[in-house]
Amino acid sequence: KNEVEQSPQNLTAQEGEFITINCSYSVGISALHWLQQHPGGGIVSLFMLSSGKKKHGRLIATINIQEKHSSLHITASHPRDSAVYICAVSIIYSGGGADGLTFGKGTHLIIQP
Amino acid sequence: EAQVTQNPRYLITVTGKKLTVTCSQNMNHEYMSWYRQDPGLGLRQIYYSMNVEVTDKGDVPEGYKVSRKEKRNFPLILESPSPNQTSLYFCASSFIGSYEAFFGQGTRLTVV
Repeated sequence: KNEVEQSPQNLTAQEGEFITINCSYSVGISALHWLQQHPGGGIVSLFMLSSGKKKHGRLIATINIQEKHSSLHITASHPRDSAVYICAVSIIYSGGGADGLTFGKGTHLIIQP
Repeated sequence: EAQVTQNPRYLITVTGKKLTVTCSQNMNHEYMSWYRQDPGLGLRQIYYSMNVEVTDKGDVPEGYKVSRKEKRNFPLILESPSPNQTSLYFCASSFIGSYEAFFGQGTRLTVV
C-alpha cells in the first residue's frame, strides 16, 4: 500500500510570496495528481503528471520519479489561492488492473493580503 | 459539459434508515470510485468499479454497498447508516490508465 506524505500540513503566507508544497510517496507509481479543494468542499484536478514538469498559469508541478517526490509551486500567490492542496498517486498494473487514488492528508494554504 | 454529478449535496438522516447517494458521469469513463473525507484522515477509498458489473472494495468498505449496472452511474448505498458514517463523500471517475480524475461536488452526510 502506498504511503503519501505531504508537507507542510498548514502554510500561511503573504500575498506575492512563492509557495512550495511537497509530496513524497513510498511505492512506484503510474501517475501523481495535484488536487485543489476550496472551502466550499469541491475538488478540482490541477495536474496529473508521470514525469518532468507541468505549468498552468502561476502553478507549476514537478515530479522526480527516482526520488519518489513531487512539488507544487505557486508563483506570485494571491488570496484566491487559499485552499487545501492534496497530492494523490495512482498505480496501473501491466495486467490491466488499477489502484484507486491514494491521497496525502492535504496542505491547508492561507494567503493573506 | 464534462462533469460528475452527485446527489444530494447535503443529507441529514437517522441511524438505520437506508439511503442512496447517486453519482453520474457523462464522459464514458470506465473507472468510477467513492471516497470519504474525514478531518485528520484525508480522503479514503470506499469502493471502486473498473467497468459495468465490476466492483471491488477499497480501503474502508464496511457499511457500504455499490452497484454498477450502467457505465454512467455508480450509486453508493448505506443499508443501515450509523453515526460513524457522518462524513463528506466524493464520487470520482476517469478513463482507466493514468488519466485525469474528475470529482463530483461532494455529499455532506450527517447520521444522527
